Amino acid sequence: QLQLQESGPGLVKPSETLSLTCTVSGGSISSSSYYWGWIRQPPGKGLEWIGSIYYSGSTYYNPSLKSRVTISVDTSKNQFSLKLSSVTAADTAVYYCARQVLSYSSSWYDGDWFDPWGQGTLVTVSS
Amino acid sequence: QSVLTQPPSVSGAPGQRVTISCTGSSSNIGAGYDVHWYQQLPGTAPKLLIYGNSNRPSGVPDRFSGSKSGTSASLAITGLQAEDEADYYCQSYDSSLSGSVFGGGTQLTVL
Repeated sequence: QLQLQESGPGLVKPSETLSLTCTVSGGSISSSSYYWGWIRQPPGKGLEWIGSIYYSGSTYYNPSLKSRVTISVDTSKNQFSLKLSSVTAADTAVYYCARQVLSYSSSWYDGDWFDPWGQGTLVTVSS
Repeated sequence: QSVLTQPPSVSGAPGQRVTISCTGSSSNIGAGYDVHWYQQLPGTAPKLLIYGNSNRPSGVPDRFSGSKSGTSASLAITGLQAEDEADYYCQSYDSSLSGSVFGGGTQLTVL
């Protein structure tokens, strides 16, 4: 079955750029039915959607993070990546990648959900 | 402050029924966008529990059910079991933000 795995440094210094990669196995990232998303969860807090990408490279981001976020895709490696610039302690969180299923009925966009999720990786911002 | 509002905690005894509410607004749930629910067991990644307001993925027990009305949605769990102790999150799409939004999460305690 489809599996996702996050990878990247667990410690990033303030003002630097956080970089993570999500490797997809058991299926193709080039499927036309899905987007691929990043979600984060600060310690002891709730979930926050960061942004999403289609295999063609089309992206959309959370407005609150848009100025600092870049998501890219490498279909040859079945991977997509997250870069978050100018990080502060507030960016310390478990970062998850997930497949995003978009749902339509007739010509109406019903919304989307995330399934499955990677196991998550903790990124700490500290000097 | 989350766009979708959930109670911070709920509790119930084994065998009982509990519900978790998720309140949104006219730009998300009230606009007709679907609501989805996730279960997060301690120390693990969230797992899809309900999609499209009331649909259960394969493998999710029918003790879990979802509904939506107006600007709110609810997750109901019947026949509570100790293994249901977890955090539960609702999620929808918001047209004002042009993206996905989550509730703040509800911690379920099985007494």
